[in-house]
Order: sequence, then C-alpha cells, then structure tokens
Amino acid sequence: KAGVTQTPRYLIKTRGQQVTLSCSPISGHRSVSWYQQTPGQGLQFLFEYFSETQRNKGNFPGRFSGRQFSNSRSEMNVSTLELGDSALYLCASSLTEQGSNTGELFFGEGSRLTVL
Amino acid sequence: AQKVTQAQTEISVVEKEDVTLDCVYETRDTTYYLFWYKQPPSGELVFLIRRNSFDEQNEISGRYSWNFQKSTSSFNFTITASQVVDSAVYFCALSEAGRDDKIIFGKGTRLHILP
Repeated sequence: KAGVTQTPRYLIKTRGQQVTLSCSPISGHRSVSWYQQTPGQGLQFLFEYFSETQRNKGNFPGRFSGRQFSNSRSEMNVSTLELGDSALYLCASSLTEQGSNTGELFFGEGSRLTVL
Repeated sequence: AQKVTQAQTEISVVEKEDVTLDCVYETRDTTYYLFWYKQPPSGELVFLIRRNSFDEQNEISGRYSWNFQKSTSSFNFTITASQVVDSAVYFCALSEAGRDDKIIFGKGTRLHILP
C-alpha cells in the first residue's frame, strides 16, 4: 500500500513569491493534516482537512492556506513568502479526523522549502 | 491551552546503554491522548504509541517502554539496550478530546546512539 506522497520534495523560492505544495494521502484516508517543522519551533500544526472541509487551524497568518479535493488529495499554499517560511512542510493522513482516530498519523517525507 | 515540553534537546549515549526521553505536558482537559513519534533521517514521522488519560498503566514493547504519570504530567519514553538504529528525533505529542482536538507536538529530542 503506497504511503503518503508529497511533492515537490525540495524547492527554492525568493521572498515575495508564492508556493503550492501537494500531498496525496494513503488510499482510503480522508483526513489530511499539515505541519511546519523548523529547528527553532519544532513541529507546528498548520491545518487539518477532512472530507474537503477545514476542521482545525493553527496559529499561522492568512498567507498560509490549504484545500482538499474530493479524492482527498490536499494542497497548501503560501503567498508572499518570507525568509522565515523556510522549513520542512510535513503532510500526514489518517483514516478519520484527528480527534476520533487512534492518533496514528501517517506522515510523508516532507517538502523542504528554502526561501532566499 | 495544550502544551508539550521536551526539555532534552539532544542526547548522546553509547550503544547498549539505556536512555530515557522526558516529556511533560499541560492540558486543562480531563480526557486527552499522548503520543510518541520517531523521525528518522528520511524525514517521515513514525507512530510509536498512543495513550489515553484514563490509562496510566505502563507499556512495554520490546526494548521500548513508556511511563505515564498523571501526578507529574509526564509521559517518558525509555529505550533499553539502545542500538545505532534508534538514532532519530523523537517527538512527544498531545491531543485534547473535544472540538480542538488537533495533535500538538513537542520540539523533539534528537537522540544519537554512538557505536
């Protein structure tokens, strides 16, 4: 069974640009969560989507947005990039919503974004 | 608000030594869940264990064991007879039951097992 797939794996952008990251969850999983990982802040929750609806959101500015499609694939977008947005963006999928499942999130290998 | 603290940023031990990773949490809920995840160099986090707030029984899985103590709000993780393959970043996480049930992670402990 294929795992969580994130694309692209690496990308370099400059300040002010925007970026779109993609996540394909494990087949049958309906929940997709996004996390930002940086050396200083660790893993920070961005948002969770379930059945195309955002059900939870972390404390990030409006420049960070996401969506989920009917096939459960998800994208996140960061507009007007800042240097501080350089991070590893991790996507995790699960069968049901974060609160109702066993808590076993299945993570992808991440998209490493560098903002110059 | 929920919070997870992993005070140990980095630990190095020699192979075959035992090592304990500390995790202290804060929550106002009486029903909550605690987790440990492992992040090897490849990047993807791997689920290790989930524990609910009503189950304080310690758990052992092979060389791994977990000690949950509500009195001290701690959920510590011990690796016995460590191996080089245990080298990774380990994250403790917390989820409160209820509407705001997102899983919040600590900042992680980087564990180096030296041969």
